[in-house]
Amino acid sequence: ILNVEQSPQSLHVQEGDSTNFTCSFPSSNFYALHWYRWETAKSPEALFVMTLNGDEKKKGRISATLNTKEGYSYLYIKGSQPEDSATYLCAFSGGSNYKLTFGKGTLLTVNP
Amino acid sequence: GAVVSQHPSRVICKSGTSVKIECRSLDFQATTMFWYRQFPKQSLMLMATSNEGSKATYEQGVEKDKFLINHASLTLSTLTVTSAHPEDSSFYICSARDGAALPYNEQFFGPGTRLTVL
Repeated sequence: ILNVEQSPQSLHVQEGDSTNFTCSFPSSNFYALHWYRWETAKSPEALFVMTLNGDEKKKGRISATLNTKEGYSYLYIKGSQPEDSATYLCAFSGGSNYKLTFGKGTLLTVNP
Repeated sequence: GAVVSQHPSRVICKSGTSVKIECRSLDFQATTMFWYRQFPKQSLMLMATSNEGSKATYEQGVEKDKFLINHASLTLSTLTVTSAHPEDSSFYICSARDGAALPYNEQFFGPGTRLTVL
């Protein structure tokens, strides 16, 4: 059974704060690591697909890093805004069998 | 692009009845679709994988006779929960993959269906 852990489980920050969360995953048989942003009553939205050790990706104020040797990825949000409030999911893909194993997510609340 | 719709968004049914949930890829052809289930405070758990025109592959512990999956076209998959019981109450969400376009198992998700069985 693959274990994908996310921490913290939830997080409250003030508008303007920068924050980060962690996703840990198996370091063997790595294929890709996905980050999704999931707002209530909407579809999870793909943020990043990370495939290479040392990868660093950025989308506006959100960025992510990847360490496949030690099995972790960080997601950073710079200058959080209330509209960043959502659950952030990571999902591990091992091999090319198209299956994603999800963590439980980090619920971010940004207070104005 | 890459929009997936799911209907209904919410359904309440009586114990013993069957419920059908539809998942559609609106602007791409989904060679593979996935069905997940999420219980409160738990992660999304894959139930089954279906390829267009083929029988679905179910994950261990998921009853294929209870959760019927049909993927008859490249844009539509359905999940039917047969003889639903209160323990089937959960959040069901589908995703779709365009194998022709994206190489890294990228999946696009529908908004999910909240099923409550009374």
